[in-house]
Amino acid sequence: QVTLRESGPALVKPTQTLTLTCSFSGFSLTTRGMCVTWIRQTPGKALESLARIDWDDDKYYSPSLRTRLDISKDTSKNQVLFTMTNMDPADTATYYCARIRGYEKGGYNYYFVDVWGKGTTVTVSS
Amino acid sequence: IQLTQSPSTLSASVGDRVTITCRASQSILTWVAWYQQRPGKAPKVLIYDASTLESGVPSRFSGSGSGTEFVLTITSLQPDDFATYYCQQYNTYVGTFGQGTKVEVK
Repeated sequence: QVTLRESGPALVKPTQTLTLTCSFSGFSLTTRGMCVTWIRQTPGKALESLARIDWDDDKYYSPSLRTRLDISKDTSKNQVLFTMTNMDPADTATYYCARIRGYEKGGYNYYFVDVWGKGTTVTVSS
Repeated sequence: IQLTQSPSTLSASVGDRVTITCRASQSILTWVAWYQQRPGKAPKVLIYDASTLESGVPSRFSGSGSGTEFVLTITSLQPDDFATYYCQQYNTYVGTFGQGTKVEVK
């Protein structure tokens, strides 16, 4: 059974750096085709993909936020770390980590989000 | 790539056939997934590759479309199906989501 769990502070101050940890089980990030992504959902319910890290350590970021984001993995601990710098009240949201699963079609590989963690709510306020 | 869902809210009754549309700002072939989110819960995948039903998802859910227009259909709405539905494109490395469609009780 694949599970993911987010952990980190519930409250951060403006300009601080947010660090979140995703602890997962039921799969390995050393397996070809496996990836983990971070997605947030604002109070208005919009979903926004933030970052992704692949089994081969390739990393991808939201173009609009890339200067503030970093993602890394610790395969020995089955964890993915996510940081967002210079936090603002507009970053108040529920942050989810999720697994991305790959599948093959027509000789190419494609990747979609298949299992989500429960999410962690982060409020940015002084 | 922007995704626009319609309608934003849909009022329906148990047993109704429901359709939700997702339009992309450019062609994304079939690289679309659909998710269901119940209040206070994380999203759950229903469909990927535009029309492939995820394992364990009831067959009353189906997806269709390619290019820029995609449709999620629920053939006979059940009480558990009152929720918000999102489409997502994964044509790009960091995919984008539609704004969501809330299916509410009529």
